[in-house]
Amino acid sequence: NAGVTQTPKFQVLKTGQSMTLQCAQDMNHEYMSWYRQDPGMGLRLIHYSVGAGITDQGEVPNGYNVSRSTTEDFPLRLLSAAPSQTSVYFCASSYQRRNYGYTFGSGTRLTVV
Amino acid sequence: GQQVMQIPQYQHVQEGEDFTTYCNSSTTLSNIQWYKQRPGGHPVFLIQLVKSGEVKKQKRLTFQFGEAKKNSSLHITATQTTDVGTYFCAGPDSGNTPLVFGKGTRLSVIA
Repeated sequence: NAGVTQTPKFQVLKTGQSMTLQCAQDMNHEYMSWYRQDPGMGLRLIHYSVGAGITDQGEVPNGYNVSRSTTEDFPLRLLSAAPSQTSVYFCASSYQRRNYGYTFGSGTRLTVV
Repeated sequence: GQQVMQIPQYQHVQEGEDFTTYCNSSTTLSNIQWYKQRPGGHPVFLIQLVKSGEVKKQKRLTFQFGEAKKNSSLHITATQTTDVGTYFCAGPDSGNTPLVFGKGTRLSVIA
């Protein structure tokens, strides 16, 4: 089925470990983005990309890295995990960053101990 | 930058009662989008409003965009337990940035 696929669904990390959250879409969307969702904080934008080779920072980029080598994939890297990065992470894609609805992946629930 | 404020933060209703959530922006919006997130799920796009004063309906859901394009509302008639979840509004900033999401209104329906 067409959509946004995120892996893994759950992950537990130790403080200081690094990992990559995967996001892939098969809708030929140019725009992709990563959000984190914490209780009472809504959806906060981490990084986004308007096309292959182009990325930009969102509201809360510190501690995270992204790259976009293909239209389909937009991985999110945690460089050195901290307990403050415990959250639910959503990847979203769209034809465009502003004027089209976003399709969200099912999320990755990350716990850093 | 732009802020999108949603009220109320929480709403508990009896099944069959109506429900309304409001979204207010500090700046004029070119469009407003609404999303629903079921408990434990991911946000799902519901609708986009573009025109000043626009009203759109999806079954028991009515969406409105204010005349000044700074506010919007979502009204659910005769709530059902399937309406449970968090409803988010989102709009583009005045710059060329991605959508800004409100913090959402969490709806619980008591059967």
